[in-house]
Amino acid sequence: SYVLTQPPSVSVAPGQTARIPCGGNNIGTNSVHWYQQKPGQAPVLLIYYNSDRPSGIPERFSGSNSGNTATLTISRVEAGDEADYYCQVWDSTSDHWVFGGGTKVTVL
Amino acid sequence: EVRLVESGGGLIKPGGSLRLSCVASGFTFNNAWMNWVRQAPGKGLEWVGRIKSKTGGGTTDYAAPVKGRFTISRDDSRNTVYLQMNSLRTEDTAMYYCTTDYSVVGFDLWGQGTLVTVSS
Repeated sequence: SYVLTQPPSVSVAPGQTARIPCGGNNIGTNSVHWYQQKPGQAPVLLIYYNSDRPSGIPERFSGSNSGNTATLTISRVEAGDEADYYCQVWDSTSDHWVFGGGTKVTVL
Repeated sequence: EVRLVESGGGLIKPGGSLRLSCVASGFTFNNAWMNWVRQAPGKGLEWVGRIKSKTGGGTTDYAAPVKGRFTISRDDSRNTVYLQMNSLRTEDTAMYYCTTDYSVVGFDLWGQGTLVTVSS
């Protein structure tokens, strides 16, 4: 089955840029979605179709996807961005949705 | 208001069965492809399975760890999707969320989750 690999944690200072990679075999040929989850809350869709933002998601959140890595970028990081972030793709080979293992973002 | 509300979680012994429900409101449920996603304590998100809309074929797909034990069904007259869980194992302990792609591709609508604890 398709595997998505994320680093367990990323640390970033306020005001700086956080980049969260999501690795997968030829992931650039897939559409990647990204979610943010804060403690005790349901996930929230941040990015869909690699780089589109749902209504209400700040422009500070952006996404890209090429080759074997998709990337979620958080610009001008704020304390409120501390959360777990997950990437997701549809694996058409198995007809399954697949999530990455998640990355915990810590704001220093 | 557009929302999903799960219920039916609880404490159950290994080998037991439980049925979760998810009631939708505020959108056209008939057209929705509904998914269940779970999250074990302190762990990441895991897709459990989905059911397509009737017009989409109404078929189901399941993740390998639950295939043959879990069954997803829907009652469009009640705007409800169900997750029937049989032969439960301790590793099925998790928060269970129902979710769907309401307005965009990707799961942009989630319930608050219902907790299932499998323990003797």
